[in-house]
Amino acid sequence: AQSVTQLGSHVSVSEGALVLLRCNYSSSVPPYLFWYVQYPNQGLQLLLKYTTGATLVKGINGFEAEFKKSETSFHLTKPSAHMSDAAEYFCAVRGAGGTSYGKLTFGQGTILTVHP
Amino acid sequence: EAQVTQNPRYLITVTGKKLTVTCSQNMNHEYMSWYRQDPGLGLRQIYYSMNVEVTDKGDVPEGYKVSRKEKRNFPLILESPSPNQTSLYFCASSRLGQGITEAFFGQGTRLTVV
Repeated sequence: AQSVTQLGSHVSVSEGALVLLRCNYSSSVPPYLFWYVQYPNQGLQLLLKYTTGATLVKGINGFEAEFKKSETSFHLTKPSAHMSDAAEYFCAVRGAGGTSYGKLTFGQGTILTVHP
Repeated sequence: EAQVTQNPRYLITVTGKKLTVTCSQNMNHEYMSWYRQDPGLGLRQIYYSMNVEVTDKGDVPEGYKVSRKEKRNFPLILESPSPNQTSLYFCASSRLGQGITEAFFGQGTRLTVV
């Protein structure tokens, strides 16, 4: 079975400050990991993904995430927050095999608020 | 343009009145699934399909049905909706096999059952 835990349902930062959204996962097979963003009244948009290879992955809008197998983590960061980053962010894991093959399992979501 | 199209975007219905939410993708993806999104719970999988005529239950299948008669379409059916099915629903599709890619999502259907 696979699962995802996002620490902090709400994160508030000032414009220009570092954004750090935490994600820990569990998976019985090598995971594929994703971060999605959801703006109000919209669907989910892929920010970035980790499949294989380089553990530091860069995504759109200046976001990046680092896969740390030893810590089972995939935290999302952005050096300098912008007002337009305000949204809900979801971490997700996808099984590469076994009973979870193809299934995307999501964390509970983190709402990011950016203050002027 | 690659996309997943859901209809309708908004739906208000009464308890017990059967409804169908349609989902169509134009990327020839094998895998399609339905999720519901509720505050504080993230997205939970309702049903999924790995190909035509192959469907299976996800984590929260009670009260829902699906079918996959064509590769591009994956409708979600609520035979007798109840208020606890009030939620935001998303359809998603993705490719299976070598080089697993990300899932593509529809714009969502906000369902209210009164």
